[in-house]
Amino acid sequence: DAKTTQPTSMDCAEGRAANLPCNHSTISGNEYVYWYRQIHSQGPQYIIHGLKNNETNEMASLIITEDRKSSTLILPHATLRDTAVYYCIVRPPGYALNFGKGTSLLVTP
Amino acid sequence: SAVISQKPSRDICQRGTSLTIQCQVDSQVTMMFWYRQQPGQSLTLIATANQGSEATYESGFVIDKFPISRPNLTFSTLTVSNMSPEDSSIYLCSVLEAFNYGYTFGSGTRLTVV
Repeated sequence: DAKTTQPTSMDCAEGRAANLPCNHSTISGNEYVYWYRQIHSQGPQYIIHGLKNNETNEMASLIITEDRKSSTLILPHATLRDTAVYYCIVRPPGYALNFGKGTSLLVTP
Repeated sequence: SAVISQKPSRDICQRGTSLTIQCQVDSQVTMMFWYRQQPGQSLTLIATANQGSEATYESGFVIDKFPISRPNLTFSTLTVSNMSPEDSSIYLCSVLEAFNYGYTFGSGTRLTVV
């Protein structure tokens, strides 16, 4: 399965857009990009996933480059409640997700 | 998306004993998984729970220590056997409803072994 590389930590001011990058240069054609977040001591929360097209839902937008080697999760208007660890995972559907260390996002007032 | 009820939410257990964790889903799901999250660490996959057959374990996890059952498409249990303080972790159940959906996670069981 493809490995992902994410920054260890990021800061974002409340109300601003949070842009979280993920590198997955060895992604295979059948692998999806999944984004999850984990707020302290809670179970991981699904955010969004995509194959090759950009995706948007009520929580976030997912931008995948044309070569699919990297992606960016965008939280359009970050709030304090978005402070969490964000995981970018690349997997074919039907396989268990393998979690890396993720990006610790701190949203500041 | 599926709603998961995981029980117990937390427990404190004596070393040498066993604890069974339950994962109940409100709809039939394609796949069920069990994870462990040790303090300050990311999630580690323990096994895939297969309906009506033996679970598929990841490297470093064995059936004698973590027996898993999945009698139907909505329920699974994970037992942590002969516990030691090193088993103190959060244990999480995860499900996949369909291949074009995201995966849903339970709220976890926080286990402390003393």
